[in-house]
Amino acid sequence: QKEVEQDPGPLSVPEGAIVSLNCTYSNSAFQYFMWYRQYSRKGPELLMYTYSSGNKEDGRFTAQVDKSSKYISLFIRDSQPSDSATYLCADLMTTDSWGKFQFGAGTQVVVTP
Amino acid sequence: DAGITQSPRYKITETGRQVTLMCHQTWSHSYMFWYRQDLGHGLRLIYYSAAADITDKGEVPDGYVVSRSKTENFPLTLESATRSQTSVYFCASSRGRITEAFFGQGTRLTVV
Repeated sequence: QKEVEQDPGPLSVPEGAIVSLNCTYSNSAFQYFMWYRQYSRKGPELLMYTYSSGNKEDGRFTAQVDKSSKYISLFIRDSQPSDSATYLCADLMTTDSWGKFQFGAGTQVVVTP
Repeated sequence: DAGITQSPRYKITETGRQVTLMCHQTWSHSYMFWYRQDLGHGLRLIYYSAAADITDKGEVPDGYVVSRSKTENFPLTLESATRSQTSVYFCASSRGRITEAFFGQGTRLTVV
């Protein structure tokens, strides 16, 4: 079982709608979570990171962590066609004194004009 | 340009050949990582490094070798390429042990 699980989608929404993305995690030493956006044939780019429960906002993006249910979410308000991409969640794992990242498989999002 | 760069961007090689993928970062980040990305598997960690001359295996290290003689470079070598190593390879770096990672643009490797 993967440490971080994500629905692969695709998730199709009309322009202007709210996109809701979710990940579940099983174990997290630091509970330091990240969301990445990956366009086709490009490298993942960091969108947001959070290490506490509750919400964190950055423009149209809101990251939410619910530690009681081990659930992390990303909301995109007023979605645009340019938001069409694959969204990856990641959890910082540790082994001994190292930090390394465990990624979900990604959710493909399609925003239709 | 500052950032993290990978070369080559595309590579086709034959089964059994040795191939090296290059990764260079200009941030002086301590940590560097190599991932492969395949449909259905997402990003899987191959090797990582906490500093120059300190490397360790990730989730899928078999068939790969890394070195890190300088902080800014982290090459990945496939000693004898196999078709199962056809994938997109991403290099990443992070400033510290509990900080976010930044990715390169990837190398698309095809083994024929």
